[in-house]
Parts: sequence; structure tokens; C-alpha cells
Amino acid sequence: EIVMTQSPATLSVSPGERATLSCRASQSVNYNLAWYQQKPGQAPRLLIYYASTRATGIPGRFSGSGFGTEFTLTISSLQSEDFALYYCQQYNDWPRLTFGGGTKVEIK
Amino acid sequence: QVQLVESGGTLVKPGGSLRLSCAASGFSFSDYSMTWLRQAPGKGLEWVSCVTSGGTTYYADSVRGRFTISRDNAKSSLYLQMNSLGAEDTALYYCARDPFEYSSSWVFDSWGQGTLVTVSS
Repeated sequence: EIVMTQSPATLSVSPGERATLSCRASQSVNYNLAWYQQKPGQAPRLLIYYASTRATGIPGRFSGSGFGTEFTLTISSLQSEDFALYYCQQYNDWPRLTFGGGTKVEIK
Repeated sequence: QVQLVESGGTLVKPGGSLRLSCAASGFSFSDYSMTWLRQAPGKGLEWVSCVTSGGTTYYADSVRGRFTISRDNAKSSLYLQMNSLGAEDTALYYCARDPFEYSSSWVFDSWGQGTLVTVSS
């Protein structure tokens, strides 16, 4: 099983600032990496797939990068609605999909 | 718009069975791979099972042999038959859709709100 490790567990950021979230895979997943946002009491929302492709309707302030084992989700200027939990997911080793433990982005 | 509505979650005793349903609307259900994922209370996400548009099924090791995924395209519905349930199966179960028709991209662009399964005596 490919283990996905996200860091930090919690990120404290002020509105308007940049947030950088990391995701590391225990072995290469090529570019088969997705990011999701989850707010309390809500289902996850797909943000990014293929490491850097924004899903339909996702604002341009969300960007993804990386390849292989190291990936980054960047939120360029945090809006109030962006404070949430973020998960990465690898799908290179389908169907053995695995998710990271999540990064909580909280208001500083 | 795409809508997925899960149902069937409830409290069940260890060793018991349960059938979850997911009613889909707003898209051509038969053309998409559909997936069940789950999230234990306060925990992260876990992929459970997938059925492709062509009917091929896949299972996580943790549920293979106990859970069965199926779909009824005429009813635009997805199902998950869960047998031999244990405490480790306690979770919010989500139904989710692949973003692309006639493919399995293994990412999920539409999710339901989930149905809660609690396994406890």
C-alpha cells in the first residue's frame, strides 16, 4: 500500500495570505495525485487532479504541483471559505487508492 | 445538476448485514463509474469499492469478500451490500462519481452527503 503523508497537520494562516500544503507518497505515484477540500459536516470537494489540473469550477487561487513522491497544494490568497480540511489522494496504484491524513487550514 | 443521495445507514450489531443505496440524478448514470468511500468518525477518507460503467467491480482489501457493490442503471442507483459487519466498519459512507464518462479516473468530482453506519452491540 502506498502511504500518503501530509504536512503540516495544522496550518494557521491569516486571510489574504498564501497557504502551502505538502503531500508525500511512500513511492512514486507519477502525477496521479488529487486534492480535496472538506468542510465540517460536508462531503469532500475535488480541487485538483493529475497533480495540477483544477477541477471544474475551482477558483484560480488553488494550484497544485509536484510529481513522483512530493506534491504541493497552494492557495494563493486565503479567503474565509478556504478554511477547511484538505486531503491528498493517490490513484497511481489503482484500485488500491489511498488518502493522506489531512491538513487543517485554520484562521491565524 | 448532479445529485447523489445515500440511504440505508443505521445501527447494526456486529456480524450483521446492511444494504446501502445511492440514488443518482442530473446525469447519465449508466455512463459513469461509481464508487463508495467511507470516513470513520473524526478520521480520514478510505476508498471502499468501485463499479465501472461496464460493470467491472473493485474492492478494498478490508472489505473484499464481505461487501458487494452493484448498480441498477434503469433506476440510476448504486448499492453496497455489507455482510459480516464489525466495529471497524463504523463510518459515514459516501457515494461518489467519476468525473469522466466511460472511464475510471479514480478521482471523484461529485459526492453525496453520506449515510452513517454504526456497528455496535
